[in-house]
Amino acid sequence: AQSVTQLGSHVSVSEGALVLLRCNYSSSVPPYLFWYVQYPNQGLQLLLKYTTGATLVKGINGFEAEFKKSETSFHLTKPSAHMSDAAEYFCAVSEGSGANNLFFGTGTRLTVIP
Amino acid sequence: GAVVSQHPSWVICKSGTSVKIECRSLDFQATTMFWYRQFPKQSLMLMATSNEGSKATYEQGVEKDKFLINHASLTLSTLTVTSAHPEDSSFYICSARGGNTGTGELFFGEGSRLTVL
Repeated sequence: AQSVTQLGSHVSVSEGALVLLRCNYSSSVPPYLFWYVQYPNQGLQLLLKYTTGATLVKGINGFEAEFKKSETSFHLTKPSAHMSDAAEYFCAVSEGSGANNLFFGTGTRLTVIP
Repeated sequence: GAVVSQHPSWVICKSGTSVKIECRSLDFQATTMFWYRQFPKQSLMLMATSNEGSKATYEQGVEKDKFLINHASLTLSTLTVTSAHPEDSSFYICSARGGNTGTGELFFGEGSRLTVL
């Protein structure tokens, strides 16, 4: 069985500050991990993904995440927050390329304070 | 990148009526599409998996007679909410998986917000 836990349903940071959104997963097989961003009344946009290989993954808009198997974590970071980063962020896990579904975390709402 | 489009983006209907939401893959063929439901300030919950040319597979607790899914072509899946009630009001999102994605990535539509009065 797979599951995702996102610690902190709401994170606030000042503009220019470090963004850290936490994600821990549970999977019985090597996971594929994803971070998606959702702006109000919109669908989900893929930020980045980890499949195999390098554990530090760089995505769009300056975000990156590191897969740490020993910690079963895939935390999302960005060195300097921008006002446009304010959105809902979802971490998700699947069982690989053949998987039919993504299991989503409950989401973290990021607020950027000017 | 791959594009998935949903229509309509917003729909308001009276209780008891049926509403159809379309999900289209615009630049690739999607053998499998997924329908999710998202309640306010909550995550996405998978409702059903739509397979082209065959019956949809529904998740536990989802009424198949209530949420009719048709995947008649490789680029179109439809979700029909039948005899809608206020509790069906939600944000419905589809995603599509092409045969050549290979890495587990799903492409999501923009979502459709249903309000049942």
